[in-house]
Amino acid sequence: QQPVQSPQAVILREGEDAVINCSSSKALYSVHWYRQKHGEAPVFLMILLKGGEQKGHEKISASFNEKKQQSSLYLTASQLSYSGTYFCGTERGDYGQNFVFGPGTRLSVLP
Amino acid sequence: DSGVTQTPKHLITATGQRVTLRCSPRSGDLSVYWYQQSLDQGLQFLIQYYNGEERAKGNILERFSAQQFPDLHSELNLSSLELGDSALYFCASSVDRPGRGYTFGSGTRLTVV
Repeated sequence: QQPVQSPQAVILREGEDAVINCSSSKALYSVHWYRQKHGEAPVFLMILLKGGEQKGHEKISASFNEKKQQSSLYLTASQLSYSGTYFCGTERGDYGQNFVFGPGTRLSVLP
Repeated sequence: DSGVTQTPKHLITATGQRVTLRCSPRSGDLSVYWYQQSLDQGLQFLIQYYNGEERAKGNILERFSAQQFPDLHSELNLSSLELGDSALYFCASSVDRPGRGYTFGSGTRLTVV
């Protein structure tokens, strides 16, 4: 079952912050986050395993609330290079069972 | 370079034809996944192979088939092509251990005319 992402799209000015949410109605083992620039391949950002951990990647970090089956991706002090579509992907087993990508959130960072 | 190699990068073919897309996974990765992405759409999972065996199947049409060879490279065969099959086809690979993400190739852009 495909996870739900919100918002569908967001427009920011450079330096502003954004939060992208990903939620599932099923119990999750892990959540992946990927960024895809137009016409390019998705690039893996990070993975969060059940246990509620939070991970960071430069000014991009994420959390995973196991009880709510929800993950949030935080982009702080956004840069032009952050523009793209962000996909979450959810796994229900520890070896990739039932891995499904969300529909994506289109992020545009303007100067 | 992600380490996942897809060929060809572009393919233009006529309706009714058959094409083969090729993917070489990153060294050490045993799993290969195929995804279809239509214009400005999401990533639709087609099929996964693990060490030569089919492990999971998604929304793959009967006209499409895939296999993974002993050297772990994979091929996706698309036959009786229709205009609606025009899309970006991505291959991804993973080491298939908990906590590891997918590495995507640069994709094959298929245009059916």
